[in-house]
Amino acid sequence: GAGVSQSPSNKVTEKGKDVELRCDPISGHTALYWYRQSLGQGLEFLIYFQGNSAPDKSGLPSDRFSAERTGGSVSTLTIQRTQQEDSAVYLCASSPGFATRGGYGYTFGSGTRLTVV
Amino acid sequence: GNSVTQMEGPVTLSEEAFLTINCTYTATGYPSLFWYVQYPGEGLQLLLKATKADDKGSNKGFEATYRKETTSFHLEKGSVQVSDSAVYFCALSQGAQKLVFGQGTRLTINP
Repeated sequence: GAGVSQSPSNKVTEKGKDVELRCDPISGHTALYWYRQSLGQGLEFLIYFQGNSAPDKSGLPSDRFSAERTGGSVSTLTIQRTQQEDSAVYLCASSPGFATRGGYGYTFGSGTRLTVV
Repeated sequence: GNSVTQMEGPVTLSEEAFLTINCTYTATGYPSLFWYVQYPGEGLQLLLKATKADDKGSNKGFEATYRKETTSFHLEKGSVQVSDSAVYFCALSQGAQKLVFGQGTRLTINP
């Protein structure tokens, strides 16, 4: 697609429920990244994919968080047994995965605002 | 590990004032450096970037110069406008690896 698409744009869920957030990267981008932005906070790295593998998942805050990517394209971030502290905007970004003349171009989606009540 | 430190906000200026938002970094090797902007209610947008020492990134009147000797990438604009009110994030990356962000600086421009 023309840009990075994330769905849903907003999600309200009850504490203890599982949620799935979806990211559809720019076509042909091999690298995909998930970040979390809590209210009033900066951007916290969660996980990075190169193709279907995740060389860096160091930012996942607990084992309730997992992510997968299939076909080198769409990625799903799953949060199990959601807690109120999981409330945040979850951002996805993609990049070609190689350097162009302008360096590595990262493009961000508009995010999914997750509210756990 | 790699890290980015930004000037703490919030920053409040009058229209047409000169803006500087400081950014310093810690990294091994030669990272690429970025400034991202997040306007109210919108997503994160790339404002400018520099990929090697002494490069100057510029866009929309904003500039930042990659200074390896001081490990800095300060953002400047000569005359700010109300429409520049946003949160600004300094970031670095090495190769195709993750972007590492500073904590963000909220800028408010008053008419």
